[in-house]
Amino acid sequence: DGGITQSPKYLFRKEGQNVTLSCEQNLNHDAMYWYRQDPGQGLRLIYYSQIVNDFQKGDIAEGYSVSREKKESFPLTVTSAQKNPTAFYLCASSMDRAYYNEQFFGPGTRLTVL
Amino acid sequence: AQKVTQAQTEISVVEKEDVTLDCVYETRDTTYYLFWYKQPPSGELVFLIRRNSFDEQNEISGRYSWNFQKSTSSFNFTITASQVVDSAVYFCALSYMDSNYQLIWGAGTKLIIKP
Repeated sequence: DGGITQSPKYLFRKEGQNVTLSCEQNLNHDAMYWYRQDPGQGLRLIYYSQIVNDFQKGDIAEGYSVSREKKESFPLTVTSAQKNPTAFYLCASSMDRAYYNEQFFGPGTRLTVL
Repeated sequence: AQKVTQAQTEISVVEKEDVTLDCVYETRDTTYYLFWYKQPPSGELVFLIRRNSFDEQNEISGRYSWNFQKSTSSFNFTITASQVVDSAVYFCALSYMDSNYQLIWGAGTKLIIKP
């Protein structure tokens, strides 16, 4: 079955540690996205990538980093510079960069900083 | 400014009632797309519908229907004969040619269906 997988589902991190969230898709989509969702709020874009080896900052990129070395994979690193990283992180993909394409989402990773 | 407003933060109805979720958008573009997504308690967003600005036909899919009115810049979502499984957060979103491929998201409406 085609889809998007994110791991782990739950992640606990100590303050000052970097942590990497995994996102893999087998939909053959060119574009991939990372969103952050805080309780009771909407989605905010962290980073997006329209093609391999290229990515752009979204609205809240500070304290995060990404890479896009393979079409299927778009990992997100939450660095110690991110002041308030506890949130629900969603990865998404779309067929290509066209603005009319719907995005498909993974199941999310819930990150808690202890 | 380009934005999406979902004024209803939370709606609670009894099962089998009809319910309408409002979505009002603002955009300067004449070509744009509107989307609805469902986020059940599990967290994963599920795509429901996409509508382009040139197609004002209403759409019906089972118990779900969407009313797109450019005159009022609204794209409302109605669930007929609601069921407990419809309980979720519903998001409306907008994209347009110059949005740099980003979706403009509403804040979401939490729908609670009581048995």
